[in-house]
Amino acid sequence: KAGVTQTPRYLIKTRGQQVTLSCSPISGHRSVSWYQQTPGQGLQFLFEYFSETQRNKGNFPGRFSGRQFSNSRSEMNVSTLELGDSALYLCASSLRPQGTTYNEQFFGPGTRLTVL
Amino acid sequence: GESVGLHLPTLSVQEGDNSIINCAYSNSASDYFIWYKQESGKGPQFIIDIRSNMDKRQGQRVTVLLNKTVKHLSLQIAATQPGDSAVYFCAETPGNQFYFGTGTSLTVIP
Repeated sequence: KAGVTQTPRYLIKTRGQQVTLSCSPISGHRSVSWYQQTPGQGLQFLFEYFSETQRNKGNFPGRFSGRQFSNSRSEMNVSTLELGDSALYLCASSLRPQGTTYNEQFFGPGTRLTVL
Repeated sequence: GESVGLHLPTLSVQEGDNSIINCAYSNSASDYFIWYKQESGKGPQFIIDIRSNMDKRQGQRVTVLLNKTVKHLSLQIAATQPGDSAVYFCAETPGNQFYFGTGTSLTVIP
């Protein structure tokens, strides 16, 4: 069974630009969560989509948005990029919504975004 | 916001020794906890999980201990191997989303 895939793996943008990242979950998984990982901050939750609906949202500005398609693939978009948006963006998929016990999340390799 | 912290940012152990990685959490309502391992250039990988109605759970070479009284979680790795070198995160959830610690970097010395 193929794992979670994320594209692109690396991305370089300049301030003010916008970016779209893609995540394909494991087949059959309906929950996709996005996280931002920076040195010293650990994993910060962005949002979770389940069956095309945003189920939870973390404390990030409105410049960060996402969506999920009927095939459970998800995209996240960051508009008006800032230097502080440089990070590793991870997505994770699971069968059931976050918070369900013994509901393992499988992470993708991440997209490394650098904002210059 | 939630606060999930790790007592030690780095840990070095000799190959073959046991490793103990600690984690403190702040939300007494959290009822599910997971330990993840992240190797360089990869996404986090699930190691073991535990529910709040348990105080110990064992896997292959790993044991998670949960002390709800002091809101403390630990991961024990038996007979640590070079392949165990990675960053380890704990995560907690009170039921809506996961909150992760910043991680402990484990280095195994051959």
